[in-house]
Amino acid sequence: KNQVEQSPQSLIILEGKNCTLQCNYTVSPFSNLRWYKQDTGRGPVSLTIMTFSENTKSNGRYTATLDADTKQSSLHITASQLSDSASYICVVSGASGTYKYIFGTGTRLKVLA
Amino acid sequence: GAVVSQHPSWVICKSGTSVKIECRSLDFQATTMFWYRQFPKQSLMLMATSNEGSKATYEQGVEKDKFLINHASLTLSTLTVTSAHPEDSSFYICSAMRAYSGSSYEQYFGPGTRLTVT
Repeated sequence: KNQVEQSPQSLIILEGKNCTLQCNYTVSPFSNLRWYKQDTGRGPVSLTIMTFSENTKSNGRYTATLDADTKQSSLHITASQLSDSASYICVVSGASGTYKYIFGTGTRLKVLA
Repeated sequence: GAVVSQHPSWVICKSGTSVKIECRSLDFQATTMFWYRQFPKQSLMLMATSNEGSKATYEQGVEKDKFLINHASLTLSTLTVTSAHPEDSSFYICSAMRAYSGSSYEQYFGPGTRLTVT
């Protein structure tokens, strides 16, 4: 069964600190892995997109890594800001021709002043 | 960019009535749109795939007669919740799929619609 698991489920950190969110998937065959940020009451916004051949992708203070062999990805947030408080969702898409996204369980991040 | 809008952003309706939610791709054409439902503290759950000019494809467990989907143009899909019940209260999110060169594609998400059924 195609699944995407994320950890931790929730996380609280102080402003300015770094954090790393984890994503493990069993989707096969695999095409792309995306990380989204979803603010409360809003739709998801894309942070990074990686194909199976990419190991790392950065977007400002967000850096995503991918190990296609172990089927693991991480999202590292540097120098966190209060505005980083949101849910972060790992999304995997299967082989070409399969347009559906498989959503992870999400990590709820709270950044405190 | 690729912008997707939803209307309304929130709606309150009485039990037994119907409510329509619109999803529009503002700057690109989308032959395929998706409708998701999200409960508090949970991730998005795909309800159905909306294809322009044809019937929607519903996920297992989603009642097609209750959640009517119409994709009448390349920029508009609508979701109508018929005979709404309080348990239909949820956050509904649509996405529009944009195709790029080769076989690559991307889903762009709308801002969501908060439905409350009283």
